[in-house]
Amino acid sequence: QQQVKQSPQSLIVQKGGISIINCAYENTAFDYFPWYQQFPGKGPALLIAIRPDVSEKKEGRFTISFNKSAKQFSLHIMDSQPGDSATYFCAARESNYQLIWGAGTKLIIKP
Amino acid sequence: KAGVTQTPRYLIKTRGQQVTLSCSPISGHRSVSWYQQTPGQGLQFLFEYFSETQRNKGNFPGRFSGRQFSNSRSEMNVSTLELGDSALYLCASSSPGTPWEQYFGPGTRLTVT
Repeated sequence: QQQVKQSPQSLIVQKGGISIINCAYENTAFDYFPWYQQFPGKGPALLIAIRPDVSEKKEGRFTISFNKSAKQFSLHIMDSQPGDSATYFCAARESNYQLIWGAGTKLIIKP
Repeated sequence: KAGVTQTPRYLIKTRGQQVTLSCSPISGHRSVSWYQQTPGQGLQFLFEYFSETQRNKGNFPGRFSGRQFSNSRSEMNVSTLELGDSALYLCASSSPGTPWEQYFGPGTRLTVT
């Protein structure tokens, strides 16, 4: 009930391509869905977030798509660049504000 | 504004010892959360402190404990270290107005031999 399932575990995309990372959840009480980006040797940093009353949110090359009925949300990175190579985590917020985290996706953008 | 700082950055300890890690949150942030990160396990929530009180706790044994001081700085202690405690320990702070937006420090890399 509390899990957030993230896939794939790792992803290799050519430069200029679209990177897509998916997350699924069960708890319909989750009310905020952030994505974090982590570079080696650094802590995760908030990248973009969405609330369940919105189906899509775009910030630059990063877009979150949210499907409330399917209980799924995904991160799309358009025109992927080598600098986007990082580990990406999805998360979901519980009513007590605690974040439940996905297992992470290691993204590699090939030049 | 200075970010979240964690000390030390790297630590090597022997099995059975104890260790204390420190976290200084962003100025004005009163909530501090601690996470354990290991390869393939993602981020495992340890506990959260708000105004010197533990507000949430993850599923870790009692060997893992923490505290928060009046200036919001927090410490995490692990007693009787085990080899499996080797991990990156991350601290995150958040402001009272947006407790769900967490700002992470660079982490402390703990190696237990």
